[in-house]
Amino acid sequence: SQTIHQWPATLVQPVGSPLSLECTVEGTSNPNLYWYRQAAGRGLQLLFYSVGIGQISSEVPQNLSASRPQDRQFILSSKKLLLSDSGFYLCAWSLGREQYFGPGTRLTVT
Amino acid sequence: GNSVTQMEGPVTLSEEAFLTINCTYTATGYPSLFWYVQYPGEGLQLLLKATKADDKGSNKGFEATYRKETTSFHLEKGSVQVSDSAVYFCALVKGGTYKYIFGTGTRLKVLA
Repeated sequence: SQTIHQWPATLVQPVGSPLSLECTVEGTSNPNLYWYRQAAGRGLQLLFYSVGIGQISSEVPQNLSASRPQDRQFILSSKKLLLSDSGFYLCAWSLGREQYFGPGTRLTVT
Repeated sequence: GNSVTQMEGPVTLSEEAFLTINCTYTATGYPSLFWYVQYPGEGLQLLLKATKADDKGSNKGFEATYRKETTSFHLEKGSVQVSDSAVYFCALVKGGTYKYIFGTGTRLKVLA
């Protein structure tokens, strides 16, 4: 069966520091991969999605970037965090119509 | 463009009450429709789905019917439990695309 991992689970970072969040999927090949952000008490904001290695589509211009160095690995990065980057970051994958989510990373920028 | 509209929460019910969470959508063609549930501090879990008009998705006592004529996909449960307390998201995806459109979520609180 398929499994999706995210780490770290929680992260506290100062403003201006770099960020790297990792997501990996097991048990499937060539999935579509997604990064979402969820602000406190809010809905989901799609940040990036990827339909293949090296293919990244950005939905929201901001100081975040994404990379897909391997088929089942999706990384979210920032060179300098802002206070507004705080939130709950969710990775997801899909192959057919269903989309499956990871456990999330809670990021607090101080 | 495509969109999903959910009823505003929070919804507060007593245990064993009947639940309805409204969801309507705007999309051309025949999107697939989903309900996801998010428990505190966790990711979203797929609760049920429907892929064509008049399909009924069901899981864990929850049901939703794909109504093309009213562009709706309302979530229902006959008797809620305290453990159903969570945030529920309605979503759609159009065939041939990769972008999922989510509603803003509806928080459900069930009191014992």
